[in-house]
Amino acid sequence: AAGVIQSPRHLIKEKRETATLKCYPIPRHDTVYWYQQGPGQDPQFLISFYEKMQSDKGSIPDRFSAQQFSDYHSELNMSSLELGDSALYFCASSSYKSTRNGYTFGSGTRLTVV
Amino acid sequence: SQELEQSPQSLIVQEGKNLTINCTSSKTLYGLYWYKQKYGEGLIFLMMLQKGGEEKSHEKITAKLDEKKQQSSLHITASQPSHAGIYLCGADIRNTGNQFYFGTGTSLTVIP
Repeated sequence: AAGVIQSPRHLIKEKRETATLKCYPIPRHDTVYWYQQGPGQDPQFLISFYEKMQSDKGSIPDRFSAQQFSDYHSELNMSSLELGDSALYFCASSSYKSTRNGYTFGSGTRLTVV
Repeated sequence: SQELEQSPQSLIVQEGKNLTINCTSSKTLYGLYWYKQKYGEGLIFLMMLQKGGEEKSHEKITAKLDEKKQQSSLHITASQPSHAGIYLCGADIRNTGNQFYFGTGTSLTVIP
């Protein structure tokens, strides 16, 4: 069965550079969530989208932006990267019509800022 | 395969009833987290367990981590409509490296 696909799996960037993370939800899932997990920390919610509209916003820095496209995939854009942005970034997807099927998480993108 | 298995997948209970949700792993859990999520919103952290046999409570919700640190249960006493939502377990499973895994979630509906 298809799962949530995140790309790239690993990314190394220098300070002040820009990074774009991509998330491809499970087919027919219309909602996407982004989480950031720092080393030794539990995941922090960043932002979510439903039907290409932002549905909830968490602790996402102003340097980050995200959007959901017509094919429901989502991209997290991170600019002016800082060392503290080094983390594992998870994406999850779900279906509004089938919330009882739960949420599916991707394997994450590990971002290292040097 | 799923690193963390949650059961049941969905649960419908009458208000006032007790319920239990389980989270099971085939590997040792280092840091087991329970979250609640309402649709479209971010995860709400409930509690974290680290030591085998540890038990924590928050209001009417109690979570335990078994002695072998491979299973956790979340117990809600006298459920209320406000308890409705999706409950997710998450865990740090250190097999090949530091990676955090989530369970598939349990959808809870509480009927007034």
